Amino acid sequence: EDQVTQSPEALRLQEGESSSLNCSYTVSGLRGLFWYRQDPGKGPEFLFTLYSAGEEKEKERLKATLTKKESFLHITAPKPEDSATYLCAVQAIPRSGGSNYKLTFGKGTLLTVNP
Amino acid sequence: GAVVSQHPSRVICKSGTSVKIECRSLDFQATTMFWYRQFPKQSLMLMATSNEGSKATYEQGVEKDKFLINHASLTLSTLTVTSAHPEDSSFYICSARDIYRGTDTQYFGPGTRLTVL
Repeated sequence: EDQVTQSPEALRLQEGESSSLNCSYTVSGLRGLFWYRQDPGKGPEFLFTLYSAGEEKEKERLKATLTKKESFLHITAPKPEDSATYLCAVQAIPRSGGSNYKLTFGKGTLLTVNP
Repeated sequence: GAVVSQHPSRVICKSGTSVKIECRSLDFQATTMFWYRQFPKQSLMLMATSNEGSKATYEQGVEKDKFLINHASLTLSTLTVTSAHPEDSSFYICSARDIYRGTDTQYFGPGTRLTVL
């Protein structure tokens, strides 16, 4: 069974204080790892897809990296508007050549950035 | 681009009634859509996978006769909660799979808050 564990559950930062969020995963074969941002009462907003170990993606103050066992979401000089829950999800290569594209989500990291 | 809408955004209904939620991909075609529910302070739990023109695939423990899914076109999937009860109150979110922009990515709708009295 595919599993995704995110840490920490919650993180409080001061504005400008850089940090990283962790996503550890267990999957039979990784097709893709996804990062989303979710604001309260809203649907997840797509951030990044990573496909292979060593891959990195950047967007503004966010950078996502991937190894064979985990992914990190680095936040550089965060601002209060970066406050949200960050969700990590994995998509496994379907067994037996099937076509199942479902995502398995972690529980998320609630990030709060204080001004 | 890659916009997914849901309607309604909020619904309050009486116990025993049925509620229909629509999910639309506005600027792309989606052969596959997904339905999730999310309880407070918890992550998304996949309920079912909706494929255009065929029957939905439900996750273990999800009652297919209670949560009816129809994917009648490449831009519309509907979820009907039949004979809703208070325990069905939740945040329902759909996503649509976009395979036409070079990446195989699920884009999510804004969610529907269902409250059953």
